[in-house]
Amino acid sequence: AQSVTQLGSHVSVSEGALVLLRCNYSSSVPPYLFWYVQYPNQGLQLLLKYTSAATLVKGINGFEAEFKKSETSFHLTKPSAHMSDAAEYFCAVSLYSGNTPLVFGKGTRLSVIA
Amino acid sequence: DGGITQSPKYLFRKEGQNVTLSCEQNLNHDAMYWYRQDPGQGLRLIYYSQIVNDFQKGDIAEGYSVSREKKESFPLTVTSAQKNPTAFYLCASIGKGRATSGVRNEQFFGPGTRLTVL
Repeated sequence: AQSVTQLGSHVSVSEGALVLLRCNYSSSVPPYLFWYVQYPNQGLQLLLKYTSAATLVKGINGFEAEFKKSETSFHLTKPSAHMSDAAEYFCAVSLYSGNTPLVFGKGTRLSVIA
Repeated sequence: DGGITQSPKYLFRKEGQNVTLSCEQNLNHDAMYWYRQDPGQGLRLIYYSQIVNDFQKGDIAEGYSVSREKKESFPLTVTSAQKNPTAFYLCASIGKGRATSGVRNEQFFGPGTRLTVL
């Protein structure tokens, strides 16, 4: 069965600094990988999705993620943090495209310090 | 605008009561999902339905029940058998083809319902 591990339940960065949120997955076959963002008391919004078309995936709000098969990783980055990036971020995996349920990591809360 | 609505936003339940959380979507999506979110636990799948009149248990289905009589609706009932129901509940849907964001088969989420047991 597939699984997702997010390293660090809480990450704190200064405004303007690099954001790096880590995600490692476990899957016996090439997976579909996702990053979602959640603001307090709201639903989840898709940031980006990897579907094997390209290893570097660009998403919304300046975020991007790189799929590294050898490291089974899909880390999320943003060159310069903004105060509005403060939220909880979830990495998720699915073996198939379509209607298969996603398996989520436990989330990483990002704080941005002025 | 297409989307998913959940109601109510906040719900309070007395111990021993059953309560039903509403989830409606107008995206014409085939599949719908219910997740439970607890602090530090991520999202855990309760039930999902890939087609009308059919649904499957997720990882934590005990104490919950669902129905899927219409494509647009997937209500979740939290029964008295659920011993620790206080949580944030999220409904999601996914459909065939290119979604409004341009990402194929994007899973859309509703705004959530926060359930508190008094």
